[in-house]
Amino acid sequence: EAQVTQNPRYLITVTGKKLTVTCSQNMNHEYMSWYRQDPGLGLRQIYYSMNVEVTDKGDVPEGYKVSRKEKRNFPLILESPSPNQTSLYFCASSFSRGSYEQYFGPGTRLTVT
Amino acid sequence: DAKTTQPNSMESNEEEPVHLPCNHSTISGTDYIHWYRQLPSQGPEYVIHGLTSNVNNRMASLAIAEDRKSSTLILHRATLRDAAVYYCILRDPDRGSTLGRLYFGRGTQLTVWP
Repeated sequence: EAQVTQNPRYLITVTGKKLTVTCSQNMNHEYMSWYRQDPGLGLRQIYYSMNVEVTDKGDVPEGYKVSRKEKRNFPLILESPSPNQTSLYFCASSFSRGSYEQYFGPGTRLTVT
Repeated sequence: DAKTTQPNSMESNEEEPVHLPCNHSTISGTDYIHWYRQLPSQGPEYVIHGLTSNVNNRMASLAIAEDRKSSTLILHRATLRDAAVYYCILRDPDRGSTLGRLYFGRGTQLTVWP
């Protein structure tokens, strides 16, 4: 089944403790991205990647890192999480950046205390 | 990016048609109209897209006004599973670095009553 998977689905952590949220897709998509969703602010793009080893900032990249060493994986790294990064995170992928249809993962709910 | 305006909420009864409107008066000639929906506790899901002509797929139909300043997503027979937030998004497939980015507004919360 074609899908985007994220792990973990739920995470509660403390300020400053490094964490990684994994994202994987099995559709051989070139384009992958991370969004965060906050009440009243909608979904905002954090980082995106157009292909292996090619990443760039989205609208709200501060406090986040990403890497794209393999085509199927696009992990989101929070080196020193802070409470304002408490949010619902979605990974998305598409065949290319111009593709009409993007596929979203199920989401990771992160709470930073 | 051109802005879209949608009603905050709409309601429908099960098995009735639903027409979800979207206004985009500042749309440019190269902007495609996309619709996504987000079911409760899930990620957004692509529904349909179009440029000028009306479009149909297995999920819905998209009716685009002749002047392209508005569009309507049509669910022909609403089911309980269609209860979701529906987002109308404009996107230019040839626009530079923001090409892949989807700008989600607040969308329309659709409630379907049994």
